[in-house]
Amino acid sequence: EAQVTQNPRYLITVTGKKLTVTCSQNMNHEYMSWYRQDPGLGLRQIYYSMNVEVTDKGDVPEGYKVSRKEKRNFPLILESPSPNQTSLYFCASSEGQGAGGANVLTFGAGSRLTVL
Amino acid sequence: EDKVVQSPLSLVVHEGDTVTLNCSYEVTNFRSLLWYKQEKKAPTFLFMLTSSGIEKKSGRLSSILDKKELFSILNITATQTGDSAIYLCAVPDPNTGNQFYFGTGTSLTVIP
Repeated sequence: EAQVTQNPRYLITVTGKKLTVTCSQNMNHEYMSWYRQDPGLGLRQIYYSMNVEVTDKGDVPEGYKVSRKEKRNFPLILESPSPNQTSLYFCASSEGQGAGGANVLTFGAGSRLTVL
Repeated sequence: EDKVVQSPLSLVVHEGDTVTLNCSYEVTNFRSLLWYKQEKKAPTFLFMLTSSGIEKKSGRLSSILDKKELFSILNITATQTGDSAIYLCAVPDPNTGNQFYFGTGTSLTVIP
């Protein structure tokens, strides 16, 4: 089944304790992206990647890091989480610019993160 | 500066009602607009509207794009409780093609 898989789905952690949210897609998509969703603010883009070893900042990159060493994986790293990073996080992927069906994002199931 | 604005923010209707959700956008060199439905988990794709496809329909759902007035509407007829969800509108950045601007969404609740 074509899908985007995120882990963990739920996480409660404490301020300053490094964590990684993994994201993997099995559709051979070139483009991957991370979003956070907060009430009243909608989906905001954190980072995105057009291809392996190519990453770019989105609208709210502060406090986050990403890497794209393999095409299928795009982990989100919070080096020193703070309470304002409590949110619902989504990973998404697409075929990428120019391809047929481009710009249709497939989303993961979401990761709900709480930072105490 | 908001690039994609959705209205209303929330809506409560009874089963069988027809609803219209709005999405206005301000994006230079517009190429496409997408609608997603988000229930308790991941947003799922509904429609993509482009310059060459300004009207889409699937069952009770339909959507049109007005490129002149820079908005799109999503219509749901004969609503059912299963239509309860957040409906998201998104416009890809035409320069990058892959940076998306999302609206805040419209929360629809359908009461039996």
